Amino acid sequence: QVQLVESGGGVVQPGRSLRLSCAASGFTFSSYAMHWVRQAPGKGLEWVAVIWYDGNNKYYADSVKGRFTISRDNSKNTLYLQMNNLRAEDTAVYYCARDLTGVVTMMINWGHGTQVTVSS
Amino acid sequence: EIVLTQSPDFQSVTAKEKVTITCRASQNIRSSLHWYQQKPDQSPKLLIQYTSESFSGVSSRFRGSGSGTNFTLTINSLEAEDAATYYCHQSSSLPHTFGQGTKVEIK
Repeated sequence: QVQLVESGGGVVQPGRSLRLSCAASGFTFSSYAMHWVRQAPGKGLEWVAVIWYDGNNKYYADSVKGRFTISRDNSKNTLYLQMNNLRAEDTAVYYCARDLTGVVTMMINWGHGTQVTVSS
Repeated sequence: EIVLTQSPDFQSVTAKEKVTITCRASQNIRSSLHWYQQKPDQSPKLLIQYTSESFSGVSSRFRGSGSGTNFTLTINSLEAEDAATYYCHQSSSLPHTFGQGTKVEIK
C-alpha cells in the first residue's frame, strides 16, 4: 500500500535552515506530482509547494517563495523540502502528499507529518 | 490567489442528523473543488474529488455538490466516527488554497 514517511523536522532557531524528506513506497513515485502542505498548531491546512512528476515544474505559496525549495530524487523515491531563513511563523506540522496525477490536481495520499518548530 | 470561505466554522450535531458544510470561492473554479476530513491527531484524508466524485473507499453518506463558486459537502445520517474537521481545497489555479475548516462535533 502507499506509504509516505516524512522526516527531518525538529527545533531550529530563526534564520537557520532545515531540510525535510519524504520517503515514498507502494507506488511508482516518478509518475506522480508531489505536494508539501503544512499545519500550524491549532490552525488549518496551508498548501506550501508542488513539484511535477519529472521535477521540471515547481510552484510555491507566496509565504515561502524565495526561502523554500521543493525537489525530488526519483531514483531514491524521495521528496525534499529545503527550508532556509526560517521564521517563527513557519512552525507547523509538514505533510507530504501524493497527487492524483503527474501534474497538479489534488492530494490523494498523505504522510503522518513531521513537526518543525522555529524558536530561539 | 483564490480565497475559499467555509461556513459554519463549527457545528455540533446529534448522531443520525444531516450535516451541511458550504465552501464559497472568491472566483469561478468550475468543478476543481475537493473535500478532506481530518480527525484529531491524524493526517487529512480525501473524501470528495472534483466537487461530487467520492474517493475510493469513502462512505456513501458523504456527498458533494455545487459548481462555479458555491459548493456543499453533505454528511447524511451522521455517525460518531464522523467527528472531525472538514476542509475544502481548490486546484483550479496555483497557488492551491484551502478553506479555513469546519469542525463537526457529535453532541
